[in-house]
Amino acid sequence: GAVVSQHPSRVICKSGTSVKIECRSLDFQATTMFWYRQFPKKSLMLMATSNEGSKATYEQGVEKDKFLINHASLTLSTLTVTSAHPEDSSFYICSASRSGRGRFSEQFFGPGTRLTVL
Amino acid sequence: KQEVTQIPAALSVPEGENLVLNCSFTDSAIYNLQWFRQDPGKGLTSLLLIQSSQREQTSGRLNASLDKSSGRSTLYIAASQPGDSATYLCAVRRGTGNQFYFGTGTSLTVIP
Repeated sequence: GAVVSQHPSRVICKSGTSVKIECRSLDFQATTMFWYRQFPKKSLMLMATSNEGSKATYEQGVEKDKFLINHASLTLSTLTVTSAHPEDSSFYICSASRSGRGRFSEQFFGPGTRLTVL
Repeated sequence: KQEVTQIPAALSVPEGENLVLNCSFTDSAIYNLQWFRQDPGKGLTSLLLIQSSQREQTSGRLNASLDKSSGRSTLYIAASQPGDSATYLCAVRRGTGNQFYFGTGTSLTVIP
């Protein structure tokens, strides 16, 4: 149990286009999902916290108009990178906490999405 | 702001050796600490989760300890194997909220 999937696993796009990344909790409901970004040989940086049915909470320095987050259901959150540029190229990872298991329950991570912007 | 540091940044050991990875954090007001494994180009695999009230957790050849007051955690790997080669990340969750702060990772290579 507690599997989180991401789609796509890899995406290459042209500069100026928008890319949507999906994060799904396959066998549990997740009230809260998290989006992280990882640069090569660096650690993960939290970008935003996605709450089902409400607006996402963005970390300082993250452009909310550039990284659109939607958490429309208890099993799906999406991250859309709008007007992508080469500097947006990165590894994006989502995680999810089970609903009803307490506010600080264990997080389960997706396999990540490698975005390359040409 | 919480800062998490991992030492060493890279480690190479012969197969069969026991080894210790270190994680330190600046703010002791944590709720829990989690150790992860990340293979190249892949996501994270959770290894061990230690609640702030616990001192250690064990799973197979892995043992993680937590000294919250000193801001330290260690991950002990016994009888290392080539399959253990990966980057190991520690992450702490602060006392309020769900945010994780990740360390910079230790890249482990186990030589056959």
